[in-house]
Amino acid sequence: DSGVTQTPKHLITATGQRVTLRCSPRSGDLSVYWYQQSLDQGLQFLIQYYNGEERAKGNILERFSAQQFPDLHSELNLSSLELGDSALYFCASSPRPNTGELFFGEGSRLTVL
Amino acid sequence: GEDVEQSLFLSVREGDSSVINCTYTDSSSTYLYWYKQEPGAGLQLLTYIFSNMDMKQDQRLTVLLNKKDKHLSLRIADTQTGDSAIYFCAEKELTGGGNKLTFGTGTQLKVEL
Repeated sequence: DSGVTQTPKHLITATGQRVTLRCSPRSGDLSVYWYQQSLDQGLQFLIQYYNGEERAKGNILERFSAQQFPDLHSELNLSSLELGDSALYFCASSPRPNTGELFFGEGSRLTVL
Repeated sequence: GEDVEQSLFLSVREGDSSVINCTYTDSSSTYLYWYKQEPGAGLQLLTYIFSNMDMKQDQRLTVLLNKKDKHLSLRIADTQTGDSAIYFCAEKELTGGGNKLTFGTGTQLKVEL
């Protein structure tokens, strides 16, 4: 158990819909990362927050947005969903903003039908 | 941008050594990482190496780094069935106040009895 909690574990929705994925980092970790894992594109970095502020941005679509709240949990919002958004979305956390030693949650599997 | 490549599959017999290879392109990478993903789970950090090192050993794991050829390898000694998983190498890119990891495609290790 990494200490990172993600909900929901599984989500099935239709194209055009909007979903919110939630992540609670390890106790004491200030940095949260979101990654997307799909068969065709592998693991792709989406975005990083540190203590509520955006610190790094990857290939995150404009239809996607994220935020980190004062209690350090984070949410990833995916809107106008397309079939290609079906993937496993991982949240990871770390105590510092510039370390590659990340602790990953078990992921939220999104299926868009 | 960075591109991290790995072979997709490796099959070994229990008790043999496994060698998983990785090539990366960003010569400025300071740290390189190996993560393990078991079925249905998130990624777990196994080990990492600083770019000014050639080798790092941690129990059954040995990491070799050839910076000239941008080649990284992970050797698992006395491979066990519990080592069956997908192994990802990753390089870290510092981006302003944060960082992102670029992961390889992953190598699926199958350990046979």
